[in-house]
Amino acid sequence: AQSVTQLDSHVSVSEGTPVLLRCNYSSSYSPSLFWYVQHPNKGLQLLLKYTSAATLVKGINGFEAEFKKSETSFHLTKPSAHMSDAAEYFCVVNQYNFNKFYFGSGTKLNVKP
Amino acid sequence: NAGVTQTPKFQVLKTGQSMTLQCAQDMNHNSMYWYRQDPGMGLRLIYYSASEGTTDKGEVPNGYNVSRLNKREFSLRLESAAPSQTSVYFCASSEGQTGNYGYTFGSGTRLTVV
Repeated sequence: AQSVTQLDSHVSVSEGTPVLLRCNYSSSYSPSLFWYVQHPNKGLQLLLKYTSAATLVKGINGFEAEFKKSETSFHLTKPSAHMSDAAEYFCVVNQYNFNKFYFGSGTKLNVKP
Repeated sequence: NAGVTQTPKFQVLKTGQSMTLQCAQDMNHNSMYWYRQDPGMGLRLIYYSASEGTTDKGEVPNGYNVSRLNKREFSLRLESAAPSQTSVYFCASSEGQTGNYGYTFGSGTRLTVV
């Protein structure tokens, strides 16, 4: 069985400070993992994906995530938050060769000036 | 611009009415999906089509039907709308059937059933 848990429903940071959005997954097999971002009233945009290559994955807009198998985690980070990063972020897991993606419940990131 | 196009963007229905949400992609993707998004619940898969001519149920298929009209188009039909179907609906497509490929999402359809 697969599932994904986003540990924080809301995260608030000040502009220029680091961002950490946490995601834990469960999967019977080697998973593919993704982070998507959704700005208000918009569709979802792929930030980055892990598909069993390098464990540290770099995405768009300065975001990156590290796959840690021992901790079953795939946390999203950014060294310095920008006001435009305010959005909702979704962690997604897919078990290799299966055609279903499982979404976390989302983390809303607020960036304060 | 290449991508996934959904119509309509907004819709209000009365309980019991029917409607079809349209989705088309121009990226020659094999797989297409319909999700609904509700507050605090992430996105839940309604139906998907792994390839042209096939469709399968997702997590929450009750009250919906789908048609993969051709490789480009994948429609979602509500035969008798209920207030519980008030949601934002997203269509997505994927190049392949494995987890190596991420989704490309449409911009969503905001549906209200009164």
